[in-house]
Amino acid sequence: GENVGLHLPTLSVQEGDNSIINCAYSNSASDYFIWYKQESGKGPQFIIDIRSNMDKRQGQRVTVLLNKTVKHLSLQIAATQPGDSAVYFCAENGMAGSARQLTFGSGTQLTVLP
Amino acid sequence: DAGITQSPRHKVTETGTPVTLRCHQTENHRYMYWYRQDPGHGLRLIHYSYGVKDTDKGEVSDGYSVSRSKTEDFLLTLESATSSQTSVYFCAIRTDRDNEKLFFGSGTQLSVL
Repeated sequence: GENVGLHLPTLSVQEGDNSIINCAYSNSASDYFIWYKQESGKGPQFIIDIRSNMDKRQGQRVTVLLNKTVKHLSLQIAATQPGDSAVYFCAENGMAGSARQLTFGSGTQLTVLP
Repeated sequence: DAGITQSPRHKVTETGTPVTLRCHQTENHRYMYWYRQDPGHGLRLIHYSYGVKDTDKGEVSDGYSVSRSKTEDFLLTLESATSSQTSVYFCAIRTDRDNEKLFFGSGTQLSVL
């Protein structure tokens, strides 16, 4: 079946360094991708999204890159801060029945080291 | 929090008892969703609603039912709770028909003993 997964379940980075979180997807029909951040005890929080007609999109300190050729999505966080420590999920809008629904990966735990 | 309130925030119940979780929104959005989150599985869709009295199943709907009698409330019911339904439950809303972006509530931690 179709699935969205992550290459690494955990990632540790030094404060101030850049972070890169990767995500592989297998549904070539997906045309919308989204990243969420989830802090402990809280609900997922939207970070950034991208449509399949784009390769790159930038936000505040975050960039999402989409490589449709190899079905790969990445989230780059610039100058990582302690407040960035969280679990990060990618999702794609695969088909579920007759409608598109977001399908989520299992997440990557990002830890920012002092 | 996109005007989403989930209640209760925590609940402990016994196997075989009925449980109802409530999701309330203040912005009259049409689409509402229930997800469960378990270690190693990420977020999985249980049921969703695209309007009052209009609902559909997600990928893990067995053992769950939903109701939406008014726009602002989406109820998730476990008719007879089982230990496998111990999970964190998240409600979400979609604010734009043409965009699948979801906004999530703070979640309900449910423990079935």
